Amino acid sequence: DSGVTQTPKHLITATGQRVTLRCSPRSGDLSVYWYQQSLDQGLQFLIQYYNGEERAKGNILERFSAQQFPDLHSELNLSSLELGDSALYFCASSERVNTGELFFGEGSRLTVL
Amino acid sequence: ELKVEQNPLFLSMQEGKNYTIYCNYSTTSDRLYWYRQDPGKSLESLFVLLSNGAVKQEGRLMASLDTKARLSTLHITAAVHDLSATYFCAVDMENTNAGKSTFGDGTTLTVKP
Repeated sequence: DSGVTQTPKHLITATGQRVTLRCSPRSGDLSVYWYQQSLDQGLQFLIQYYNGEERAKGNILERFSAQQFPDLHSELNLSSLELGDSALYFCASSERVNTGELFFGEGSRLTVL
Repeated sequence: ELKVEQNPLFLSMQEGKNYTIYCNYSTTSDRLYWYRQDPGKSLESLFVLLSNGAVKQEGRLMASLDTKARLSTLHITAAVHDLSATYFCAVDMENTNAGKSTFGDGTTLTVKP
């Protein structure tokens, strides 16, 4: 158990819909990262927050957004969903602002039908 | 942009054999990580390599880092079935305050009896 909690574990929805994925980092970790893993594109970095502020942005679509709240949990919002958004979404946390060892949650498996 | 290349991408081994997975990266960095992922599961941190010449060992796995060659290796000794998984290396960019680990594409290892 990494100490990172993600919900929901599985999510099935339809195209055009909006979903929210939630992540609680390990106790004491201020950095939260979101990654998308799909068969065709591998593990893609989406976005990083550190202590409530956005610190780095990767290949995140404009339809996606994220935030980190004062209690350090984070949410990833995915809207206008397309079939290609079906993937495993991981949250990871670390102590440092500049990455360090990442501790991954179990992931949220999103299926868009 | 930092690029991380792993090879091979797929590896099928017989139990008891030795093999090495290679991780090359394109820019200077002194922080490299190895992660393991079982199918459909989360990523688990295996090794953290923080300096040139660093070597870490855990059971049948040994990781090393050569920052001058921009190369890390993950050596498997006397493979057993339980080592079947996908192994990722990840590299942090040097001298950055907002970091993200860049992951390789992963090496899927299958150990056969």
